[in-house]
Amino acid sequence: QLQLQESGPGLVKPSETLSLTCTVSGDSIISSSYYWGWIRQPPGKGLEWIGSIYDSGSTYYNPSLRSRLTISVDTSKKQFSLRLSSVTAADTAVYYCAGFGALVAAASFDYWGQGTLVIVSS
Amino acid sequence: DIQMTQSPSSLSASVGDRVTITCRASQGIRNDLGWYQQKPGKAPKRLIYAASSLQSGVPSRFSGRGSGTEFTLTISSLQPEDFATYYCLQHNSYPLTFGGGTKVEIK
Repeated sequence: QLQLQESGPGLVKPSETLSLTCTVSGDSIISSSYYWGWIRQPPGKGLEWIGSIYDSGSTYYNPSLRSRLTISVDTSKKQFSLRLSSVTAADTAVYYCAGFGALVAAASFDYWGQGTLVIVSS
Repeated sequence: DIQMTQSPSSLSASVGDRVTITCRASQGIRNDLGWYQQKPGKAPKRLIYAASSLQSGVPSRFSGRGSGTEFTLTISSLQPEDFATYYCLQHNSYPLTFGGGTKVEIK
């Protein structure tokens, strides 16, 4: 059974960089069958896809965040990370990491972390 | 970008009711759609993948239909534990996009 766990600061100052890490346990992070992603949810609002990364290192970002966003993977640590620069109060949200199936044969693969609240405030 | 229009945004229903939620895509997405249930303070849980396949462990009262641009999630007989917010997610093309959500409340 795969488990994902987000970690990182719960409070970030405006204009600084938000950094989160997702640690994957229970299976290999290196697989062409899966891809990994970040999703966020502002308080009381809906879900917003942030970006995804594949085992090849290919990344896809939400265009609204692309200029501020970096997603990377460290396969040796079984972790993938999110860095969002120049944050504002609008970036306050619960941030989720998740794993999804990249191939038809892995279509049922869907695992999420519990989420971590990040507040942007001075 | 593909826009996902979900309706209704909220509904009130009673235990035992049949409930249907719709997502419409702004362009064809084949069957590259999943349905999620989210309860307060919890991560979303996928109920349906590939538009109509039931995720393992999900009760059979949940079903999904559709292909192309119109998709539905149906709960055949609403149970107390089904009161939650539901979202669709298209993964046909980037950027991935969620529907706006449907909050199912107790009548």
